[in-house]
Amino acid sequence: NAGVTQTPKFQVLKTGQSMTLQCAQDMNHEYMSWYRQDPGMGLRLIHYSVGAGITDQGEVPNGYNVSRSTTEDFPLRLLSAAPSQTSVYFCASRTSGGRYEQYFGPGTRLTVT
Amino acid sequence: GENVEQHPSTLSVQEGDSAVIKCTYSDSASNYFPWYKQELGKGPQLIIDIRSNVGEKKDQRIAVTLNKTAKHFSLHITETQPEDSAVYFCAAMGGNYQLIWGAGTKLIIKP
Repeated sequence: NAGVTQTPKFQVLKTGQSMTLQCAQDMNHEYMSWYRQDPGMGLRLIHYSVGAGITDQGEVPNGYNVSRSTTEDFPLRLLSAAPSQTSVYFCASRTSGGRYEQYFGPGTRLTVT
Repeated sequence: GENVEQHPSTLSVQEGDSAVIKCTYSDSASNYFPWYKQELGKGPQLIIDIRSNVGEKKDQRIAVTLNKTAKHFSLHITETQPEDSAVYFCAAMGGNYQLIWGAGTKLIIKP
């Protein structure tokens, strides 16, 4: 059981470039989410999904797109990278039942120059 | 919407002493309050949680207390050990089932 996996671990982009951060989980969790973590600001929700084919915006969705074609995968797309998107990105998953424990991936450290 | 404040931002304690981290929340409808531990270079991991119908919960050296009237909850770690050094986050879940996170507390255990 690999849990939640994320790739890449590190990425450097130039302003205006696009890329996709990959996230996969093998726990058959319905709920998946993307957070960004910035110093002194905790975790902020970007987008989330309650199941395949269903996505919704979180607290800071601008500049990001998501899709959920399978239960396992939840990629995050940066459309046109900006320096303000320099951050550490975490993907998380949990069941949709009464247990709210979220399982986090190891994170992707993104730098936009 | 919900707002969660966490204090202190950094806490340094002697090994073997107790550590207390406090959080306040604004939405009285919030009903679930987890605490996560994040070690360097890793994602956060749940260490304990509490629901609004319970005032206190313990798990070995870790305990969480909730005061619904005052809208605050606290993490207590007793007999601290070097492996307790990490960043700790509190969070609150409102009626929309989304977690709002505190800014984090860096806990340093001095030998």
